[in-house]
Amino acid sequence: QKEVEQNSGPLSVPEGAIASLNCTYSDRGSQSFFWYRQYSGKSPELIMFIYSNGDKEDGRFTAQLNKASQYVSLLIRDSQPSDSATYLCAVIPDSGYALNFGKGTSLLVTP
Amino acid sequence: EPEVTQTPSHQVTQMGQEVILRCVPISNHLYFYWYRQILGQKVEFLVSFYNNEISEKSEIFDDQFSVERPDGSNFTLKIRSTKLEDSAMYFCASHNRVHTEAFFGQGTRLTVV
Repeated sequence: QKEVEQNSGPLSVPEGAIASLNCTYSDRGSQSFFWYRQYSGKSPELIMFIYSNGDKEDGRFTAQLNKASQYVSLLIRDSQPSDSATYLCAVIPDSGYALNFGKGTSLLVTP
Repeated sequence: EPEVTQTPSHQVTQMGQEVILRCVPISNHLYFYWYRQILGQKVEFLVSFYNNEISEKSEIFDDQFSVERPDGSNFTLKIRSTKLEDSAMYFCASHNRVHTEAFFGQGTRLTVV
């Protein structure tokens, strides 16, 4: 069974701080990695994707990928209360097309 | 901005009844998916569809499930004889190239009573 693991949280950070969300995956051949945000009762909303080792920045968000350690992370700078949501890490394994999701990390940004 | 649309947003059905969940993927997308999320649990893959056939399915997608693309725009998920444990949010997703980002519809909440 190919697993995607995330700490369920909740992760609580004060407004303006950096939130760091982590994810590990078991399928070493995975090539594509995604971060989705999900508000309660809503559908997953894409934040970022990353394919290569290293960092990828988009506005306040930075995704980091380390394939050797099978680790992907998401940093959110200048966190806002509106960032409070569940963050889903998703991986496409080398052998398939579908997203394999982790259980998600709940983030709470306090004013 | 193009989006994936799903209908209905909420469906209540009696155990044993058939339900059809409908999706209109983004128009130039070629790969279509159904996922489900039981309350409090992770998003789980059900089935993927490409070139008018199933390309991949999970263990959850058993004989009670079927998918169809009846015309050039709609993509449907049929559950033949619903069970209580089928109660979940069902999400349709699509993308235009493999291993790229998938966009999700707003979901259909299915409640089986």
